[in-house]
Amino acid sequence: DAKTTQPPSMDCAEGRAANLPCNHSTISGNEYVYWYRQIHSQGPQYIIHGLKNNETNEMASLIITEDRKSSTLILPHATLRDTAVYYCIVRVGSGNTGKLIFGQGTTLQVKP
Amino acid sequence: DAGVTQSPTHLIKTRGQQVTLRCSPKSGHDTVSWYQQALGQGPQFIFQYYEEEERQRGNFPDRFSGHQFPNYSSELNVNALLLGDSALYLCASSSRGGRNEKLFFGSGTQLSVL
Repeated sequence: DAKTTQPPSMDCAEGRAANLPCNHSTISGNEYVYWYRQIHSQGPQYIIHGLKNNETNEMASLIITEDRKSSTLILPHATLRDTAVYYCIVRVGSGNTGKLIFGQGTTLQVKP
Repeated sequence: DAGVTQSPTHLIKTRGQQVTLRCSPKSGHDTVSWYQQALGQGPQFIFQYYEEEERQRGNFPDRFSGHQFPNYSSELNVNALLLGDSALYLCASSSRGGRNEKLFFGSGTQLSVL
């Protein structure tokens, strides 16, 4: 079973920041939090990942709480092309095992 | 630089038949993982191949098998197809040497079993 809990759906106005929450209260100390998104009929696309420090890249920012029990993905200026299903994933196992356990994800609808 | 490529993009089979799906990993990657995604669900891990061997396996029956070739490409085989095998099959590649390396996914093969 997935180790994360996400709201099933969210709306965001175009140009505004989209803040997607994720709970992972049973995360272990060496497990990373990954975010992927999936646009209809395409494969999941990597967004960002982190262990305990906040991370930022060209796509998004990841804020992880100090107790690591939850995190928030921030899309700073959402566009219509950001409409997708967003998956928060805790990576099981050490190193590169390739096994990601996906939950149901959050469907983000960006509206004009 | 080509990403992960999968073939075919769509496939229609009937119950009881066998199917083979193919995947070429991203350049520089040596590890291939396969996922099944039913309609409206998140992808589920099937198995992972590295150095031509199955390294990890999810909760899938033996009807699902795979192979990895010396050039790192991979095949997913499903025997005795069931209606419930209808799904999007995704291939993901990564580099074993990378620590917590991100997975790159292909666009998938849509399998319909009639």
